[in-house]
Amino acid sequence: KAGVTQTPRYLIKTRGQQVTLSCSPISGHRSVSWYQQTPGQGLQFLFEYFSETQRNKGNFPGRFSGRQFSNSRSEMNVSTLELGDSALYLCASTFLAGGSYEQYFGPGTRLTVT
Amino acid sequence: QKEVEQNSGPLSVPEGAIASLNCTYSDRVSQSFFWYRQYSGKSPELIMSIYSNGDKEDGRFTAQLNKASQYVSLLIRDSQPSDSATYLCAVNSGTSYGKLTFGQGTILTVHP
Repeated sequence: KAGVTQTPRYLIKTRGQQVTLSCSPISGHRSVSWYQQTPGQGLQFLFEYFSETQRNKGNFPGRFSGRQFSNSRSEMNVSTLELGDSALYLCASTFLAGGSYEQYFGPGTRLTVT
Repeated sequence: QKEVEQNSGPLSVPEGAIASLNCTYSDRVSQSFFWYRQYSGKSPELIMSIYSNGDKEDGRFTAQLNKASQYVSLLIRDSQPSDSATYLCAVNSGTSYGKLTFGQGTILTVHP
């Protein structure tokens, strides 16, 4: 099976712009989660989508939003970019089986805001 | 108090030794626990998952869970230089299985 894919891998944006990142989960995985990773804050949960519904949201401002499509692909959007949004954005898909589950990460999108 | 705390690093061990990585969590209702390995410039890679008290072994890796003490650990036996990476402890509290809370990570260096 192909792993989690994310596009683009690298992105440079200017303050005030907006950005959309894309994620395709592992085939058959319906849960997609997004995380932000920075050297100072580590890995922080942004939100989770399951069957096109946001099931959980982390403590991030409303500038961060996401959605999931019927084929489980997901996008996240960041509007009015700030310098502090520079980070590695990771998408993960979760496989649930028999009461246990495992979450697998994509390669990430490295966002630099200048 | 942070929700998930890992032993401060960096941790340096000689090749062939046992590396011990520790993690404590604050939410008593936490149900599922994971260890990820992250090489520099790469994304986290799942090593182990553990759900019940006790030990779980997978090759050179052993995860240990003690819910009463709110403690989870990872032992790496016969450490190799290729094990040098950042190890992340992650916890799920059961609100939804897609949300993991991560510790800050422990940098492990295995020197020849």
